[in-house]
Amino acid sequence: EIVLTQSPGTLSLSPGEGATLSCRASQSVSTDLAWYQQKPGQAPRLLIYGASSRATGIPDRFSGSGSGTDFILTIGRLEPEDFAVYYCQQYGSSTRPFGQGTKVEIK
Amino acid sequence: EVQLLESGGGLVQPGGSLRLSCAASGFTFSRHAMSWVRQAPGKGLEWVSAISNSGANTYYADSVRGRFTISRDNSENTLYLRLNSLRAEDTAVYYCAKGLIAAVRVYDYWGQGTLVTVSS
Repeated sequence: EIVLTQSPGTLSLSPGEGATLSCRASQSVSTDLAWYQQKPGQAPRLLIYGASSRATGIPDRFSGSGSGTDFILTIGRLEPEDFAVYYCQQYGSSTRPFGQGTKVEIK
Repeated sequence: EVQLLESGGGLVQPGGSLRLSCAASGFTFSRHAMSWVRQAPGKGLEWVSAISNSGANTYYADSVRGRFTISRDNSENTLYLRLNSLRAEDTAVYYCAKGLIAAVRVYDYWGQGTLVTVSS
């Protein structure tokens, strides 16, 4: 079973700063990796799939990179609406596809 | 506009049952695999179950296999999840999610969720 580990657990940043979120897989997932954003009381929103492809309507300050076991979600300059929890997900046949999440909070 | 509207959640006693529904609109439902994902209060996302676009193939997390049953009615554009033998640890918001055609477990649309509370 592939396990995804996200780091850090919490990231404290100010608006305008850049953010780097990490997701590590216990074995290779190639580029079958997605990122989601979730705000309190809302459903998750797809940001990135295929490790680096932005979903429809996602601003270009969000970018994804990586392959194999190590992946990065980069937020270029944090806007107030970007403070949220971010989850990575591998979309193979695993029954535990989500990482535990990284919370990006206002410093 | 794609819409997914869950219903059927509520308070149920341990050992009880519920049936969740997800009414889909704004896309060709029969072309897309669908899934249920849940989130316990204050916790992360947990994948629960998936079903192929035709309904012929179903998949379950170990934690629910044998207790939950996923199904769909493509003529009614509706996804279902039958929850039996409910436990306290099944308490969560349950989301239905639409898969991409090219990557069936990449979820580009989610419903607003329905809360299931298992308590005596």
